[in-house]
Amino acid sequence: RKEVEQDPGPFNVPEGATVAFNCTYSNSASQSFFWYRQDCRKEPKLLMSVYSSGNEDGRFTAQLNRASQYISLLIRDSKLSDSATYLCVVIGSNDYKLSFGAGTTVTVRA
Amino acid sequence: NAGVTQTPKFRVLKTGQSMTLLCAQDMNHEYMYWYRQDPGMGLRLIHYSVGEGTTAKGEVPDGYNVSRLKKQNFLLGLESAAPSQTSVYFCASSSQASGETQYFGPGTRLLVL
Repeated sequence: RKEVEQDPGPFNVPEGATVAFNCTYSNSASQSFFWYRQDCRKEPKLLMSVYSSGNEDGRFTAQLNRASQYISLLIRDSKLSDSATYLCVVIGSNDYKLSFGAGTTVTVRA
Repeated sequence: NAGVTQTPKFRVLKTGQSMTLLCAQDMNHEYMYWYRQDPGMGLRLIHYSVGEGTTAKGEVPDGYNVSRLKKQNFLLGLESAAPSQTSVYFCASSSQASGETQYFGPGTRLLVL
């Protein structure tokens, strides 16, 4: 079983729509969680960290569900510029190595 | 600041040839990493370094070697390239042990024929 699993999508949504997707992780001892964004043929960049209490950054909301071992990302009022692949990243306890999901592709259409 | 740079950007090799990928960072980061990214697989850690002169194996180290002779540079070597090593290689660096914010280079696209 992969350490981090994501629905690859693609999620095709119109501008202004809300889109949400999850990521599951297998290591119950995982301590840190993040969402990275990767544009086509570019390097990944940190989008946001995911805190236990959930957190927002503008139109983006991240949630953590430790009991079910998943994190989620919700994008409100989608923009064309939100089109990208979103990578779920997990760090285990006593470890500084990141485990990446394969990514969820979101395409926002005009 | 240039951040993290990688050279070359693109390379074609024949099976059995060797090459070295160079990663350089100007952020004075202690930690550096080499990943490969393949379709449907996500990024996989090849080797990493927690400081100058130290290296360690990651998830998929076979067929690769690394060196960190200078803090700002992390080299990835392929001694005898194989078609299975066709991939996009990303270098990253971070200042914290948690690796919270890893800064990635633009990637090197390698094709092994």
